[in-house]
Order: sequence, then structure tokens, then C-alpha cells
Amino acid sequence: DAGVIQSPRHEVTEMGQEVTLRCKPISGHNSLFWYRQTMMRGLELLIYFNNNVPIDDSGMPEDRFSAKMPNASFSTLKIQPSEPRDSAVYFCASSLAVAGNTGELFFGEGSRLTVL
Amino acid sequence: TQLLEQSPQFLSIQEGENLTVYCNSSSVFSSLQWYRQEPGEGPVLLVTVVTGGEVKKLKRLTFQFGDARKDSSLHITAAQPGDTGLYLCAGAVATDSWGKLQFGAGTQVVVTP
Repeated sequence: DAGVIQSPRHEVTEMGQEVTLRCKPISGHNSLFWYRQTMMRGLELLIYFNNNVPIDDSGMPEDRFSAKMPNASFSTLKIQPSEPRDSAVYFCASSLAVAGNTGELFFGEGSRLTVL
Repeated sequence: TQLLEQSPQFLSIQEGENLTVYCNSSSVFSSLQWYRQEPGEGPVLLVTVVTGGEVKKLKRLTFQFGDARKDSSLHITAAQPGDTGLYLCAGAVATDSWGKLQFGAGTQVVVTP
């Protein structure tokens, strides 16, 4: 079975450009998470969707960041405009949440973003 | 400030030695998970503990959840180079309605032959 699929794996862009990261969760999972990982701050939760609805976006750094989940099999994380401090590895994870328990998170391989 | 404090941050040992990694917090967790992450990959779940005082064993790995459900430890016996990786603990805060997982900063473990 395919795991969580993220694209692109690597992205190098210049400051001010728009960046769109994509994620296909595991089929049948009802929860999707976007995390950002840096050496300084570790793994930070950006936003969480349950049944395609954003439940908690308190971790989204600022208005430059936006996330959508138009259907159960696709989500995007957009940064516009991008800044050098956005450089990080962005992970998408999915799970089968039951009765308020997020359960095991299955992570994608991550998208490494470098903003020059 | 991390909700979950992991220690040590870095651990380098020889093959065959034992090691223990700690995960501490002032918050109570309804469950706690341990993940291992290898370079260029996402974290992979090792174990979930839910009951205070619970001990789980996974081959050479032993996981313990504190009685008060505020802390946990991971002990590796006779470490092997394949155990090298970033070990992350993640807790679901008990008072959080949807069980949001908070991750610690991780412990980088290097096991040399």
C-alpha cells in the first residue's frame, strides 16, 4: 500500500515567490497534519484537518501560510510570499482518528524547502 | 519553550552498550508515542503507551510511561548501528479535546560499530 505521498521532495526558490506543497494522505485516513521541522524548533504542528475540515490552525506562523483540503485525498500548504526563514522540511502526516484520539501518525518523506 | 523536554539532545555510544532517553513534561498526557526518524525520511512510530506505569517491550527497546503520565523513557539494550536515528516523543495532552500531539525536540542517537 502506498504511504503518505508528498511533492515536491525538494524546492529551492527565491524570497517573495509563492510555494505550494502537496500531500496525498493514506486512503481511509480521516485526519491530516502539516508539520514543519527545523534544527532550532524541532517538529512544529502547523495545521490539522479532520474529515477535510481544518480543526486547529493555531500553529500556522502568519497570514503568508495557508492550507486547504478540498477532498479526502489531497491537501496543499501554500506560502505566499516566501521568506528565507521559511526554509525547513515540511511534513504531511495522516492518521485514522477515533473518539478524540489521533492515533498513529503516518508521515510522508517530507518536502525540503530552501528560500534564498 | 517545548512542552516535552527530551534528554539528552545527543548520544553517541559504541555497539553493544545500553542507553536511555528521557521525555519529561509538567503536563499530563492521555497517551504518549515514541517515533524514530532516519535522515531524509519522516518519523516512524515505535510504540504508544496509554496507562500510567505501563512498560512495553519491543525486542531490545523498553518503553516506560510514568505513573503520573507526565514522563516517559526509552531504554535500548545492546545497541546496534541500526538503532541510529532521531528519537522523538510525542504526547497527547489530556485536556485537549482532539488529542493534539506535541512533539519533543528529539534525541539524536549514534551507534558506532
